[in-house]
Amino acid sequence: DTGVSQNPRHKITKRGQNVTFRCDPISEHNRLYWYRQTLGQGPEFLTYFQNEAQLEKSRLLSDRFSAERPKGSFSTLEIQRTEQGDSAMYLCASSPTFPRNTIYFGEGSWLTVV
Amino acid sequence: SQQGEEDPQALSIQEGENATMNCSYKTSINNLQWYRQNSGRGLVHLILIRSNEREKHSGRLRVTLDTSKKSSSLLITASRAADTASYFCATDSNSGYALNFGKGTSLLVTP
Repeated sequence: DTGVSQNPRHKITKRGQNVTFRCDPISEHNRLYWYRQTLGQGPEFLTYFQNEAQLEKSRLLSDRFSAERPKGSFSTLEIQRTEQGDSAMYLCASSPTFPRNTIYFGEGSWLTVV
Repeated sequence: SQQGEEDPQALSIQEGENATMNCSYKTSINNLQWYRQNSGRGLVHLILIRSNEREKHSGRLRVTLDTSKKSSSLLITASRAADTASYFCATDSNSGYALNFGKGTSLLVTP
């Protein structure tokens, strides 16, 4: 059990560029979540996968945000045409089927849009 | 949406003292969890309390839940400098998978 791994840990990008973050969940965790956290706030739920199926994506912040989990293992979160307001920490988490309530977070990927 | 609200927003105590943080929420829950976050790091799960439980202990942590008041408290006894972090409560949602976090309590424990 190596924990949830996120890459890159930090990303600085110019406004208008696309960025992609990768998340490797704890092995055999079939549930994967993406959250966003801005300074002084708690994490905000974005999307959820069970295996490769994206079961909830209505809370992605805009159509510039998309996430995939093609083989039910790692996941990517892409932000297209970044805006300064996208600057935040993007957290990935995973959980087993049971108990599902406890989720395990990665260290996060910091995004700064300049 | 952020359902939980922690109180106080910031707390400063000395080592050895107890720290109490409160969380209030709005809708009915199945369970409530507390997480800890060191500055710039990910969140670490501390403890989960189910709606039919009133109190739970884990090491120096004590969590209470009052569903009639829709509130919970986290007590850290005999605090240490290493307890310095932000603490968040999280409630489950109707979906069963999204957790709703509050804004957190920032705890500073000085030696």
